[in-house]
Amino acid sequence: EDQVTQSPEALRLQEGESSSLNCSYTVSGLRGLFWYRQDPGKGPEFLFTLYSAGEEKEKERLKATLTKKESFLHITAPKPEDSATYLCAVQPNFGQAGTALIFGKGTTLSVSS
Amino acid sequence: DAGVTQSPTHLIKTRGQQVTLRCSPKSGHDTVSWYQQALGQGPQFIFQYYEEEERQRGNFPDRFSGHQFPNYSSELNVNALLLGDSALYLCASNYRGYTLNYGYTFGSGTRLTVV
Repeated sequence: EDQVTQSPEALRLQEGESSSLNCSYTVSGLRGLFWYRQDPGKGPEFLFTLYSAGEEKEKERLKATLTKKESFLHITAPKPEDSATYLCAVQPNFGQAGTALIFGKGTTLSVSS
Repeated sequence: DAGVTQSPTHLIKTRGQQVTLRCSPKSGHDTVSWYQQALGQGPQFIFQYYEEEERQRGNFPDRFSGHQFPNYSSELNVNALLLGDSALYLCASNYRGYTLNYGYTFGSGTRLTVV
């Protein structure tokens, strides 16, 4: 069964304290792995797509990496505005492009000043 | 450029009632997917519409049905509401074949409370 597990469930950091979020997945062929940010009461906001093991992508203080079994979202010198829930999702490699995403439960990040 | 628009933003219904949620996709997108997000959980896929047909369906009962119109907008209908249907319902749109580069664009959702 395709599934996504994120850890930790919650993470509290001081401003400037770097850390990483983990996303482990099992899927019958991976078309893509997605990272989203979700603020309370809002819909998920797209951050990155990773396609193949060894790939890395960066955006401001965030860097996402991918291996064959997991992905990491590294947060460097976080600021309070980075506080949000970070969701990881996989798209299985079957059928046509644009098929359903399978999400993890997310990691809720709180950054205090 | 407007993103995904969902209406209403909040809704309170009684058990056993029926509800219709609406979604307008981002300009240029032709595919609409619906997700259910319970409190503290990740979104769960309900179904996807493309060319006015249901193309893929998640593990949800037949009480959940949908429709896509020629202008690509979509509706989600839920019959015989249960307390467990209380959740944030998210609509996501994409242009078929370009998901990987740009991801799916999500709306802000409809918060449904069943009492």
